[in-house]
Amino acid sequence: NAGVTQTPKFRVLKTGQSMTLLCAQDMNHEYMYWYRQDPGMGLRLIHYSVGEGTTAKGEVPDGYNVSRLKKQNFLLGLESAAPSQTSVYFCASRLLAGGPGQYFGPGTRLTVL
Amino acid sequence: TQLLEQSPQFLSIQEGENLTVYCNSSSVFSSLQWYRQEPGEGPVLLVTVVTGGEVKKLKRLTFQFGDARKDSSLHITAAQPGDTGLYLCAGARETSGSRLTFGEGTQLTVNP
Repeated sequence: NAGVTQTPKFRVLKTGQSMTLLCAQDMNHEYMYWYRQDPGMGLRLIHYSVGEGTTAKGEVPDGYNVSRLKKQNFLLGLESAAPSQTSVYFCASRLLAGGPGQYFGPGTRLTVL
Repeated sequence: TQLLEQSPQFLSIQEGENLTVYCNSSSVFSSLQWYRQEPGEGPVLLVTVVTGGEVKKLKRLTFQFGDARKDSSLHITAAQPGDTGLYLCAGARETSGSRLTFGEGTQLTVNP
C-alpha cells in the first residue's frame, strides 16, 4: 500500500514548454485534488475530482488542465508553462467528503525558467 | 482575502516550553482539520474536529474547536525538537462540498 504517489519529484521547464504531472493512489478514494504551495500563500486548490471521469475548478485553475480517466489516477497538465507556475505541487486524495482527512503525496517541485 | 487566518506565522521556542497556535475565521466551518508538514514532504493529518467546543488530545497536542465553529487552536505541551514543522489548519464548509480551505500555516521550530 503506497498511498499517494507523484511523478516526477523535480522538474525544470522553459517558458512555453508543456508537461504532465501524474498522481496515483491505491486506497480506492473517490476524491482527488491538486494543490500548489507557495511561500506565504499556503495550499491553494487548482482542480479537483469527485469521481472517475469528473473534474472541477478550484481556487486557481488558470493555466492548468486535469483529467481523471481512471479512479486511481489524476493528471495535472501545463500546456504552456510560465514562470508564475514555479511552485511545489501536491496531490491529495480522500475517501469521501465527510470521511477522514486528505492524504497527500510527497510533492513535485517545478521550476519554470 | 485569506478565509482562514493562522497566528503566529513563525514561532521559535526552546525544548520544554508550551505553545498555542490559532486558526481564526469569520466563516462557520462544518469541520476543521490540523495537518503537520515536514520539509520536502506532503502534509499529514493530525486531527479532525467537527463539533463546536470539541476538544481532542493527541499525546502532548490538544486541539480545540470554537463553540461557534469559526476558530480553532492547537496547544503543545512541553515541546520537543521532533515537533518542528509547518502546522496547517484546514476548514470544510457546508457550501464547498469536498473542498478544504487551508490557512497559510505556522512554522514551528523547537530548539534543543
